[in-house]
Amino acid sequence: AQKITQTQPGMFVQEKEAVTLDCTYDTSDQSYGLFWYKQPSSGEMIFLIYQGSYDEQNATEGRYSLNFQKARKSANLVISASQLGDSAMYFCAMRETFLYQGGKLIFGQGTELSVKP
Amino acid sequence: GAGVSQSPRYKVAKRGQDVALRCDPISGHVSLFWYQQALGQGPEFLTYFQNEAQLDKSGLPSDRFFAERPEGSVSTLKIQRTQQEDSAVYLCASSAGGTSVNQYFGPGTRLTVT
Repeated sequence: AQKITQTQPGMFVQEKEAVTLDCTYDTSDQSYGLFWYKQPSSGEMIFLIYQGSYDEQNATEGRYSLNFQKARKSANLVISASQLGDSAMYFCAMRETFLYQGGKLIFGQGTELSVKP
Repeated sequence: GAGVSQSPRYKVAKRGQDVALRCDPISGHVSLFWYQQALGQGPEFLTYFQNEAQLDKSGLPSDRFFAERPEGSVSTLKIQRTQQEDSAVYLCASSAGGTSVNQYFGPGTRLTVT
């Protein structure tokens, strides 16, 4: 069965510093997608970054980058130059193989990031 | 609006009552998903629609849960005879389908069963 593991329940980072949030996954599928979402206290899930299993380069979106190590089955999120507004819950998620359009997401337990001024 | 909307945002129900949660996806989005998020946990998949067809309902926890999307746009998640363990945030997400990979989430409905 597919599974996402986030081992850091909470993380602290100083404003303007970089932080890495860990994510490991388990799947027997060859084709899959990995996502990171941010969930502030308001509750909505905000898409940050996506990495396909066949993408050779690590994904980047502004201050966010995904450190994809396929052999180790890890997909860590790196946030550079942390800002106070980055304080939130962060979820790693995996999309199952393309059995049908869309594909349900399997989420990890989340990591709560707190940015200190 | 441009995003996914859900209503109500908050719902308090007495145990045993029926509730209906509404989701308005992004216009034109083919795929629609419902997730349940318990306090302090990640979201868990409930069900999936492609247009009006419910293609996957494997995540519905019991036969008290029912979802529909009769015209392929708005969707309703209905919970009959609510129980305390149904207390959670219910998230709706939509996707354009095809080659689009991202799911756009609504703000969620926080259900509290007393």
